[in-house]
Amino acid sequence: GQNIDQPTEMTATEGAIVQINCTYQTSGFNGLFWYQQHAGEAPTFLSYNVLDGLEEKGRFSSFLSRSKGYSYLLLKELQMKDSASYLCAVRDSNYQLIWGAGTKLIIKP
Amino acid sequence: IAGITQAPTSQILAAGRRMTLRCTQDMRHNAMYWYRQDLGLGLRLIHYSNTAGTTGKGEVPDGYSVSRANTDDFPLTLASAVPSQTSVYFCASSASDSGGYTFGSGTRLTVV
Repeated sequence: GQNIDQPTEMTATEGAIVQINCTYQTSGFNGLFWYQQHAGEAPTFLSYNVLDGLEEKGRFSSFLSRSKGYSYLLLKELQMKDSASYLCAVRDSNYQLIWGAGTKLIIKP
Repeated sequence: IAGITQAPTSQILAAGRRMTLRCTQDMRHNAMYWYRQDLGLGLRLIHYSNTAGTTGKGEVPDGYSVSRANTDDFPLTLASAVPSQTSVYFCASSASDSGGYTFGSGTRLTVV
């Protein structure tokens, strides 16, 4: 079966750095996505990785290792508005997105 | 309209009633999707459409039907609602096989 694993919840302090991990087992791989979802709102696109390595976009970076079936999202200089759920999703061989259950990130002052 | 519009925003529905959730996009995206999101389970695909005139079943299609008469519209119908269909429903679209998904704002449905 296909499976995406990520921690259920994480807590971090404002101004700090946090890394949210995602491991996956899917039938084929055609890219990995990270989405942010604030409570009661729709998911919004954060990043896309299809090749190994680090993609940096402002305070957010995403890393991929296809051989390990592993990705992480790195958030720097945390702000209170970063409190949200972070969803990892993998596009499989049929070009369908397989979603993780999401990681709820709580930022404390 | 900018992006994807879903209607209604929320609905309380009596069990056994028929209900259509509407979804319209103005981005000319070929592919459209319906997901349900339940606490602790993440997003689960109900039905999808890769292009106008075609549809396919996702992970949890039972009790739901869709149609794709044109590029812009992708309605989701519950023929006879049951309480287990209480959920938040998101419509999404993507431009072919590239790029990410754009989501609508969601419909919160409660079946009583």
